[in-house]
Amino acid sequence: RKEVEQDPGPFNVPEGATVAFNCTYSNSASQSFFWYRQDCRKEPKLLMSVYSSGNEDGRFTAQLNRASQYISLLIRDSKLSDSATYLCVVNIDNYGQNFVFGPGTRLSVLP
Amino acid sequence: DTGVSQDPRHKITKRGQNVTFRCDPISEHNRLYWYRQTLGQGPEFLTYFQNEAQLEKSRLLSDRFSAERPKGSFSTLEIQRTEQGDSAMYLCASSLSTFLSGYTFGSGTRLTVV
Repeated sequence: RKEVEQDPGPFNVPEGATVAFNCTYSNSASQSFFWYRQDCRKEPKLLMSVYSSGNEDGRFTAQLNRASQYISLLIRDSKLSDSATYLCVVNIDNYGQNFVFGPGTRLSVLP
Repeated sequence: DTGVSQDPRHKITKRGQNVTFRCDPISEHNRLYWYRQTLGQGPEFLTYFQNEAQLEKSRLLSDRFSAERPKGSFSTLEIQRTEQGDSAMYLCASSLSTFLSGYTFGSGTRLTVV
């Protein structure tokens, strides 16, 4: 099993739709989780950290399910500018020093 | 400049040549990471430094690859005897010494080996 897995997509959704991505991880001891956004031919940029209790930032909600070892990202009221690849990042060691990126999920928001 | 800087942005080299990339992290960040990314994949971890100490290297980092971070400031990544399979985006990131901190990435160096 890969350390971090994501559905590569693409997810094609109309503007205004709600879309959700999941990311599964293999190391039950992982402590830190993040979502990054990467635009085509650009560097990844931190979108949000994922806290145990779940967290929200505007239209974006991140959740962690430790029992099932996955994190999720929910985007409400999708905008055209949300079109990007969303990368899940998980630390894979017990010291939080080694982070692994998932392959990313591509989102296209259509007019 | 408060971001992570990488130089050069693009590098085209002939197979067999050596190349060196530079990364200047955010000044207060003591951790520095190198990742490699190919089309359609997420970034793959290569190595990381805490201050000047190289604490971990991926098995992806063959003996043709070497990284340094003298004085714990900027870092260089050298690839010797480049191969076509080395063509990728090489990303540098920096962070603070806490696993609760995310990374800040530089814009990357795109290497093409012809």
